[in-house]
Formats: sequence, structure tokens, C-alpha cells
Amino acid sequence: SQQGEEDPQALSIQEGENATMNCSYKTSINNLQWYRQNSGRGLVHLILIRSNEREKHSGRLRVTLDTSKKSSSLLITASRAADTASYFCATGAGETSGSRLTFGEGTQLTVNP
Amino acid sequence: NAGVTQTPKFRVLKTGQSMTLLCAQDMNHEYMYWYRQDPGMGLRLIHYSVGEGTTAKGEVPDGYNVSRLKKQNFLLGLESAAPSQTSVYFCASNLAGGPIQYFGAGTRLSVL
Repeated sequence: SQQGEEDPQALSIQEGENATMNCSYKTSINNLQWYRQNSGRGLVHLILIRSNEREKHSGRLRVTLDTSKKSSSLLITASRAADTASYFCATGAGETSGSRLTFGEGTQLTVNP
Repeated sequence: NAGVTQTPKFRVLKTGQSMTLLCAQDMNHEYMYWYRQDPGMGLRLIHYSVGEGTTAKGEVPDGYNVSRLKKQNFLLGLESAAPSQTSVYFCASNLAGGPIQYFGAGTRLSVL
């Protein structure tokens, strides 16, 4: 069964607006990551947040983690048409699990020019 | 700077045929993974390997076999393909202890 559930499944916004995607998970984690997938391509790592962190920034990306609620959010500010892609959260239990990741079902983001 | 390379990119099989998907990485990563991606279901782990000569089952291993004879290669085999194995298959790799995985471009497989 999937560890993560993402919300919304699809999101359509105008260029310049902010996009927020949410991820919930079920078991304890070592880290949570967000990946991006352009249509027909492989996944590319965006940002990682560890279980003892609450917020992390990278360029136009902001990730928050609430371990008490077992949830995370990804905020993309000032979106661009090139941000159109699917975004996946992935949870990791750490080295003891062979660094395996469990992926959510993804959010399809469309940024209209 | 190839990273993770998957071959073939596309394949059509008939039910009952066999095939092998090849994943090669040039980053000297210890760990390698095979996932399948189906619409609305995200990525599910099929098998993984934490080193040359070792493999382990993931979430959905039935109907697949794997081998890791060389550190840089991870093979995924379908002995008798079924329509339920129609999917997009992704290979990934990472350093031992490193949480970030690096993905190939995928293999789109259709089983008729």
C-alpha cells in the first residue's frame, strides 16, 4: 500500500501564482523528499527535509514538515509555465531500510501562461 | 555524464513472452532499485539491491526477477509477461546511506 497520499491530485494555476501541494504519510520517517516528473521523463529530486526539521527553503521552493500530523507541504512561489509537471512526495525510513523510499500518488500541476 | 541509463525505452510483448530490462549507472552507487509506475498509483518498488550479488523484494515483486552481477548494472526480468505488467518501469540508484535517488528515463512496456 502507498505510504503517502497527496492532495490535490491535480492543480491548475496562472503563471505568477503560488502552488501548494500537500502530502500525508502513515508511519514514522527519517526523511521526506519531493521529486518532480516532467511528462514522459524520470523523476528528479527537488528537496529533502529530515524528521527533525520543520521547514526548508530552496530557491522558489518551501517545504514544511509536521511529524505530529504526519504531513508535509510543498510551496512553489511565483510559478512559471516550466513548472508544469507531476510532483511526488517520498518518505524514507533511513539506512536500515536500504534507503528505500515510499512514494505518494503525485499532484499534477499545470501552470498556464 | 550519463547517470542512470535504461534500455530499451519502449517494448511491446505478447502474453507469455519473456524479456529483460537493463539498468546501468556510472555513478559508482551501491544501491539500485526497480519501480513500476501505473496511472494514479505513483511509484511502487519491485525489487532492490544494496550491493553486487545481493537483491531483495520490494512491495510488488511477484512475476519479476532481478540480478546484480556487476555493481553498475541491475537487470529486471519478466519470465512470462502478463497484461497486468503493462506499465512504465523506472530504475534508480543512490549511494549507501544517501537518501536521494537518481532515476533513469524509464521503459514503457506494453503486454498484449
